[in-house]
Amino acid sequence: DIVMTQSPDSLAVSLGERATINCKSSQSVLYSSNNKNYLAWYQQKPGQPPKLLIYWASTRESGVPDRFSGSGSGTDFTLTISSLQAEDVAVYYCQQYYSTPLTTFGPGTKVDIK
Amino acid sequence: EVQLVQSGAEVKKPGESLKISCKGSGYSFTSYWIGWVRQMPGKGLEWMGIIYPGDSDTRYSPSFQGQVTISADKSISTAYLQWSSLKASDTAMYYCVRQTDSVGVDPWGQGTLVTVSS
Repeated sequence: DIVMTQSPDSLAVSLGERATINCKSSQSVLYSSNNKNYLAWYQQKPGQPPKLLIYWASTRESGVPDRFSGSGSGTDFTLTISSLQAEDVAVYYCQQYYSTPLTTFGPGTKVDIK
Repeated sequence: EVQLVQSGAEVKKPGESLKISCKGSGYSFTSYWIGWVRQMPGKGLEWMGIIYPGDSDTRYSPSFQGQVTISADKSISTAYLQWSSLKASDTAMYYCVRQTDSVGVDPWGQGTLVTVSS
């Protein structure tokens, strides 16, 4: 099984400042045949189901603000919120879907306002 | 619009059985995997298992194998998650999800809250 880890567990950032979340997979999720990383990011606000933010490690889902960006390849990935807004307070999860239909989520990172 | 609509909240006693549902619409139900995700109170997301309604191919996370049963009725575009004997530790929100090898998981159902208490 591919194990996903995230760091930090939580972070508090001032409004307008950058938030950075890291995700690591226990094995590469890069498919050499198409050069795509099978890594997605989700945002979950209290009382709501998670929402897809980014797939292929760096492709924003339609409608997601461009302050959200994803980067990384292989086993190490990053989600960056360039200028934190109040509505970005949430828990963020990474997910590998390299082993689709089997998949695993990271443990989550809680983002708050400082 | 692609949608997954789940059945309503349930309150059960330990030892009782339960089957919750997830109805897909807006896409070809038989062409995509449908998975189930558990979220215990205040905790993270746990992938439980998945079914391909086209041929009923079903896979389980080792943590959930033998604990639950996933099924689907493609004639009514509905997937199911069932327990034969609930425990208090099954208290959680359960989400159904459409899973692809392109975007990961999207969309998510609204969730079904299962409460098991004596």
